[in-house]
Amino acid sequence: DAGVTQSPTHLIKTRGQQVTLRCSPKSGHDTVSWYQQALGQEPQFIFQYYEEEERQRGNFPDRFSGHQFPNYSSELNVNALLLGDSALYLCASSLLFGGNLAGELFFGEGSRLTVL
Amino acid sequence: GENVEQHPSTLSVQEGDSAVIKCTYSDSASNYFPWYKQELGKRPQLIIDIRSNVGEKKDQRIAVTLNKTAKHFSLHITETQPEDSAVYFCAASDQAGTALIFGKGTTLSVSS
Repeated sequence: DAGVTQSPTHLIKTRGQQVTLRCSPKSGHDTVSWYQQALGQEPQFIFQYYEEEERQRGNFPDRFSGHQFPNYSSELNVNALLLGDSALYLCASSLLFGGNLAGELFFGEGSRLTVL
Repeated sequence: GENVEQHPSTLSVQEGDSAVIKCTYSDSASNYFPWYKQELGKRPQLIIDIRSNVGEKKDQRIAVTLNKTAKHFSLHITETQPEDSAVYFCAASDQAGTALIFGKGTTLSVSS
């Protein structure tokens, strides 16, 4: 059973460019969340997608946007990249039940973004 | 919003000793408290979790306790081994019940 898969694993961009990161959730999971983890810091919640809609959003600017497809996979887009966007971007999948997390939030290995 | 504080930030123990990491949270609506282990360059992996209707949970050498009144929860690792060395994060569910708010992490070093 494949876990959460993310691509690309590493990428380098320059300031002002745009980036798209991709995520396939664990089999059977219908909810995808994205987290940003700067070096040496804790993961921080960006947003969550369920039924192809952004269900919840953390404290991130509109430059961060996303999408969920009918097969539950998801994309994270970041526009007008800043140096401070350099981080490990983690995708996590889960199930929701009664509006709450049902079971484990399962993380992928992440996409390491470097902005020069 | 929810705020999670974690202590200590670093912890060094000898192999075979116990390790305890403590977290406090601010939002009384939080109902899910997982602990993640993250090795260098790897994804966070769930090691144990507890829900608000339970006071304690154990899985072999790992246990978690939750005190809802005091809004704190703790991770206990007994008989530590060098492979336990990693960064450990506590987390609490936010008010909506679906996003996790993480503590700043504890770097555990187990020396043999």
